[in-house]
Order: sequence, then C-alpha cells, then structure tokens
Amino acid sequence: ILNVEQSPQSLHVQEGDSTNFTCSFPSSNFYALHWYRWETAKSPEALFVMTLNGDEKKKGRISATLNTKEGYSYLYIKGSQPEDSATYLCARLIWGYQKVTFGTGTKLQVIP
Amino acid sequence: DTAVSQTPKYLVTQMGNDKSIKCEQNLGHDTMYWYKQDSKKFLKIMFSYNNKELIINETVPNRFSPKSPDKAHLNLHINSLELGDSAVYFCASSQEGQGAKNTEAFFGQGTRLTVV
Repeated sequence: ILNVEQSPQSLHVQEGDSTNFTCSFPSSNFYALHWYRWETAKSPEALFVMTLNGDEKKKGRISATLNTKEGYSYLYIKGSQPEDSATYLCARLIWGYQKVTFGTGTKLQVIP
Repeated sequence: DTAVSQTPKYLVTQMGNDKSIKCEQNLGHDTMYWYKQDSKKFLKIMFSYNNKELIINETVPNRFSPKSPDKAHLNLHINSLELGDSAVYFCASSQEGQGAKNTEAFFGQGTRLTVV
C-alpha cells in the first residue's frame, strides 16, 4: 500500500445497525494514526489518536483498533444513529510531524 | 470561543487577482497547517509551519505562500489566482513536541474560494 486508503467509500445503514470501516496505510515509519469525523458544512473533528500496535480506543458507541504491523485500522460504530451520519477520515503520520496523509474518507449515512 | 478561526468564510474573486485568507488559533499550538479540499473532496496538505521550519508540499504552486506574523497566525496568500484554485481551504493547528498522543489537528471552518 502506497497511500492511505479507506473503504468503503460510502455506506448506508439503517438506524440501530452496527457498522465498521477500514483505513489501510503503509506501515513503514509509522508514528500515529488519527480518526476524524467530518460533518457536512463543518470542519473535521478528531475522534481518536492511536499510536501503538494493538491500541483500542472507545468513545461512546464508537471504537477503533490499530494494527501497525500490517497497516490497518478499523472504526466501529455500534447501534448507528442518524447523528452519526458524516464522513470519517483517517490520517497517518510518519516520523517528521509534517508528513501527514489523509485517506479519502468513508461517507456514512444512517437512515432513520 | 473558536479555537481555530479563518476569515473570510467565502471569497469570490476574479482570475489574476491576489488574495489572502487569514487563520488564527488560540490553542497555544506551535504548528499550523493549510489544507486544500480538492474537487474529489480529498484533503491535501499544502503547508505545515512552526517557529522552526516551513514545510511545503512540492505539488503546491509557488503562487501560494504562507505568512506567519506570529505563532498564533498563519495566513495564506495567493497570487495571480486561476480558475483551478477554486476549492475549500482549511487551516489547522496541532501541538508538536509532546509525543505522538497529542498530535491531533484542530481545524478551522474552511474558506470556500471561488475564482471567476
């Protein structure tokens, strides 16, 4: 993997369903991985900062895991709600803080 | 009390003009960034800057230049605007030097630039 890739690109789920999506990234020179939530017409807001292989983070119904050796992170949303509708971005940082690369995002729409 | 603020929110201008977008952060962060959201909605880093160095993405035309009068401000100047410069530009800041756990960026609300 040469770039930061996210899949799927978009996702529609019913309210109450649980869902997950993937961020894949080059594993070399890994420093940190960020997850951001980006609502339409707003600016991205940080959800998680993950730094160690095996990290698991949780905030309410949203959680994330990290595998730095194989270069992927999963974001999980349990019991999706309409207010979860947003684009979820991941960003990989490598040594040298300025070298941050964003993924293309997963656009989630939760249908009431 | 906005943490990272950009002005203006909307900017419509003619080709060939020179314009600036201002960014201010009150978080005490030492690193600021400019991002461009391209036509495919991807966020691409343009510049990162702290009091030590300016890092420029080599794909950014030299018509774009960041100006930092002090640690809390990083303004974006664009000379000779072109139609292809139309995009949403985001300013962000983060705190470096305190380990990887504190590296998340805080974003401004974006400036929609339209070149006509």
